[in-house]
Amino acid sequence: QQQVKQSPQSLIVQKGGISIINCAYENTAFDYFPWYQQFPGKGPALLIAIRPDVSEKKEGRFTISFNKSAKQFSLHIMDSQPGDSATYFCAAPSGAGSYQLTFGKGTKLSVIP
Amino acid sequence: DTAVSQTPKYLVTQMGNDKSIKCEQNLGHDTMYWYKQDSKKFLKIMFSYNNKELIINETVPNRFSPKSPDKAHLNLHINSLELGDSAVYFCASRRTGGSHEQYFGPGTRLTVT
Repeated sequence: QQQVKQSPQSLIVQKGGISIINCAYENTAFDYFPWYQQFPGKGPALLIAIRPDVSEKKEGRFTISFNKSAKQFSLHIMDSQPGDSATYFCAAPSGAGSYQLTFGKGTKLSVIP
Repeated sequence: DTAVSQTPKYLVTQMGNDKSIKCEQNLGHDTMYWYKQDSKKFLKIMFSYNNKELIINETVPNRFSPKSPDKAHLNLHINSLELGDSAVYFCASRRTGGSHEQYFGPGTRLTVT
């Protein structure tokens, strides 16, 4: 059974700063590691995802860094904006042949002006 | 043109009742999911289902049952509701064989009194 550990639980960042959220996983059946963003009252939505044939993926201000040997990956939000304030979830595949994801417990990000 | 929709958005009911939550997706996806998000925002997979296979998370009580009348719908039936069932329930869908991105519905907030 997959375990995904996410930290920190909450994060407060000044506008313009860098937000960093970390995730560690135990097992991989297939390689796909997404980050989801959830605003209050809404469902989670895919923010960015990586397949670890690369160590980094960047989309705009959002970057995933992946360390396969350490079984860790992180989300970096550059130039954080108040509109980035949301809960962020990392996820990892649940098991062999499964198309289920196991989610981390979430990080509540608050970007203050 | 909502991709994944759920009804109702809010559901308040008493202990012991039986209720259903409906989910529909118009994305042409063939895999659907139900998640439970508790008060701490922990997002936990309950079921995944495609036309061929139902995968049930082992911690889900058998009072919960998914019912799929067709590929675009996956409803959630809950019997003998308990206080601990109070949560936000999310439906999601994915196209098997495509990217692993899951598209989430807006959620149904269930309150059991």
